Amino acid sequence: QVQIEESGPRLVKPSGTLSLTCTVSGGSLSSTQWWSWVRQSPGKGLEWIGEMYSGGDPSYNPSLTSRVTISVDKSKSQLSLNMSSVTAADTAVYYCASASGYAKFDNWGQGVLVTVSS
Amino acid sequence: QSVLTQPPSASGTPGQRVIISCSGSRSNVGSNYVYWYQQVPGTAPKLLIYKNNQRPSGVPDRFSGSKSGTSASLAISGLRSEDEADYYCAAWDDSRSAVFGGGTQLTVL
Repeated sequence: QVQIEESGPRLVKPSGTLSLTCTVSGGSLSSTQWWSWVRQSPGKGLEWIGEMYSGGDPSYNPSLTSRVTISVDKSKSQLSLNMSSVTAADTAVYYCASASGYAKFDNWGQGVLVTVSS
Repeated sequence: QSVLTQPPSASGTPGQRVIISCSGSRSNVGSNYVYWYQQVPGTAPKLLIYKNNQRPSGVPDRFSGSKSGTSASLAISGLRSEDEADYYCAAWDDSRSAVFGGGTQLTVL
């Protein structure tokens, strides 16, 4: 099974940009799947951030679209997330997941906790 | 405020049958498949049910899903202590986004 691992700074200052990388091993980002970011604020539920289909344009949560960019580097088997103008409300565990259908998240990374604080 | 509505908690004793509901609208549950995820605290979610009522390989047949109109439900029969977890429903919304329920914390008494 494909292994998914998220990485990036664990602490981001308010008004700064959150940048995370999702590295896929044992598989390829070129396969016919969607690659998504999902987050979970402490003690809260899951929130879909956005996704990218191999070779296609990204889709974003309408509530986050003005601040989020998702991109893919197929040569490195990496998916990236950039979220600008962060606030404490963006503190969450960020998950990278592969999906074989709309909202069908088959395989998840372990997640990374990102804290927004000065 | 989550797009899909779930009860915040549910409970049952070992061996019992528990049902968790998920309510949405015509643009999500009413017109697209429903998925269920199980999340043990401190771990990543795991796909439990897909396309309303299908189980991925490895998921016990004690877990079943159903959908009617704009509502869906997850049933767990023969409740076991290891079923204690948070359960989330999800669906694609016609606004081109995935939406989740707020989650239901299941306690096995």
